[in-house]
Amino acid sequence: TQLLEQSPQFLSIQEGENLTVYCNSSSVFSSLQWYRQEPGEGPVLLVTVVTGGEVKKLKRLTFQFGDARKDSSLHITAAQPGDTGLYLCAGKDTGNQFYFGTGTSLTVIP
Amino acid sequence: DTGVSQNPRHKITKRGQNVTFRCDPISEHNRLYWYRQTLGQGPEFLTYFQNEAQLEKSRLLSDRFSAERPKGSFSTLEIQRTEQGDSAMYLCASSLYDYPTYNEQFFGPGTRLTVL
Repeated sequence: TQLLEQSPQFLSIQEGENLTVYCNSSSVFSSLQWYRQEPGEGPVLLVTVVTGGEVKKLKRLTFQFGDARKDSSLHITAAQPGDTGLYLCAGKDTGNQFYFGTGTSLTVIP
Repeated sequence: DTGVSQNPRHKITKRGQNVTFRCDPISEHNRLYWYRQTLGQGPEFLTYFQNEAQLEKSRLLSDRFSAERPKGSFSTLEIQRTEQGDSAMYLCASSLYDYPTYNEQFFGPGTRLTVL
């Protein structure tokens, strides 16, 4: 069962545009991670957010954890073709399981 | 250390056959996770080990699936009597659990299983 819903599921944009990906749940998580996955490879961790309301920036990527720790967003500024990939959010409950979102497939067209 | 490795990278088998996958985690990591990912979906948790102990198993893990981590280092995932619905990418991840410090999971490249 997927506890985390991501939107949009697919996104195709031109190079230089901005975009936001959302990760929503009715469950509270102790932490939330964002990954990027390329075809045929395992997910690669981008960031971990732990505190409600936390904002982290990684170059052109901005990650926010909702105040209630149920949702998160990823904003990419001036997207580049190298940003193309599957973006996954994953929430960790108070136990030891990680629940992954449904994924957002991003294509940045040169 | 080159990270988490998985073998084989690809496996094609006929329905009803048994298959075994191997995962070698990052050497100092004490936790090891197995996930399954189907096309267009995020990974689904299957099971995890802390050292050699299997601490949690998902309800998704049927009796045909078994995982071991005999010496607390590498792990194997075996699927018996494979079915076409088992076709997926099987991902392994490892982490260093050192309470209360939170440590991230690092994923291997996965084993893609195709059941004909």
